[in-house]
Amino acid sequence: AQSVAQPEDQVNVAEGNPLTVKCTYSVSGNPYLFWYVQYPNRGLQFLLKYITGDNLVKGSYGFEAEFNKSQTSFHLKKPSALVSDSALYFCAVRDKGTGNTGKLIFGQGTTLQVKP
Amino acid sequence: GAGVSQSPSNKVTEKGKDVELRCDPISGHTALYWYRQSLGQGLEFLIYFQGNSAPDKSGLPSDRFSAERTGGSVSTLTIQRTQQEDSAVYLCASSLERAGGYTFGSGTRLTVV
Repeated sequence: AQSVAQPEDQVNVAEGNPLTVKCTYSVSGNPYLFWYVQYPNRGLQFLLKYITGDNLVKGSYGFEAEFNKSQTSFHLKKPSALVSDSALYFCAVRDKGTGNTGKLIFGQGTTLQVKP
Repeated sequence: GAGVSQSPSNKVTEKGKDVELRCDPISGHTALYWYRQSLGQGLEFLIYFQGNSAPDKSGLPSDRFSAERTGGSVSTLTIQRTQQEDSAVYLCASSLERAGGYTFGSGTRLTVV
């Protein structure tokens, strides 16, 4: 079965420092991977996706993610965190097990707290 | 429209009542998804519509839940005889292609009292 895991419930980082939010996946074949962000009382916003090609994917708001096939990981990164980056982050993988529907399976989410 | 629109944004209902949640996807998006986000939980898939194909209902938690999508556009999620455990934020998303990212609506916060 396809799945995605976010091992950290919360990540704390000081403003200006680099941040990493971890994600590992389990999927047969080549994965389609996504990151979404949810600000308080808002819906989820798409950040970036990996389908194929370059392992380093750049997305919105200065975020990037690195696809690592050998470690089955897709960690979200940003070189310099902002207080406004504080939010709930979700990693997701496209479910390829049910007729190619495009359904996404989401991780449990990681709360990012950036302190001034 | 410019984004995915959901209504109402908040709904408080009494246990046992029926509720209808509405989703208006981005014009031209053929795929529409409903997810549920409970407090402290991740996103739970409920149902998926793709064009004129039969919907994927595999995530609906019970037969009290149903959804329809009329004319390939607006979708309604109906919960009959609501229970307190149905309290959650119900999120709708649409996408143009299977490999693409979703665009989510702001959700409907349902509280069953």
